[in-house]
Amino acid sequence: KQEVTQIPAALSVPEGENLVLNCSFTDSAIYNLQWFRQDPGKGLTSLLLIQSSQREQTSGRLNASLDKSSGRSTLYIAASQPGDSATYLCAVSDYKLSFGAGTTVTVRA
Amino acid sequence: DVKVTQSSRYLVKRTGEKVFLECVQDMDHENMFWYRQDPGLGLRLIYFSYDVKMKEKGDIPEGYSVSREKKERFSLILESASTNQTSMYLCASSKQGEDYGYTFGSGTRLTVV
Repeated sequence: KQEVTQIPAALSVPEGENLVLNCSFTDSAIYNLQWFRQDPGKGLTSLLLIQSSQREQTSGRLNASLDKSSGRSTLYIAASQPGDSATYLCAVSDYKLSFGAGTTVTVRA
Repeated sequence: DVKVTQSSRYLVKRTGEKVFLECVQDMDHENMFWYRQDPGLGLRLIYFSYDVKMKEKGDIPEGYSVSREKKERFSLILESASTNQTSMYLCASSKQGEDYGYTFGSGTRLTVV
């Protein structure tokens, strides 16, 4: 059974600092890995999708890397802003989607 | 803008009621999923469907059923709602194949009293 772990569980940083969120998974036989953002009481918004054959994906201030052989992904958010405050979820896809518990980020103004 | 639409944002039902949660996607996706999300337990898969009239049990199907009569619509049914089914319910869809990600709806917060 796929197990997905996200570290740290919570993170508080001052505005402008770079964020580093970590995700690890136990079974490397994945199709892809997806990072989501969730605001309190809301649904999930997809941020980045990395195919199993790719090493990284970028979108604006966001960059995600994937090392399938070691079962790790990292989400980098550059120059954080208060609007980046949310819970970030990592999910890996084999025949279904398995989620980590999330990292709750607070960016202080 | 492609969308997964869940019919209700908030729902309050009584114990024993039959409850229908509706989900519609406009992306012509083959796959549809129902999850529930609870504090400390994360997202757990209830049921999924790879095609019209097909359904597969997820990790926690007990107390739930589903219906997929049309490709764009996937309904979650609580046959007899119980207080332990109070939760956030999230619907998602994806295209068939390994290269595609998931799109989620905005969620339904169900409270069973």
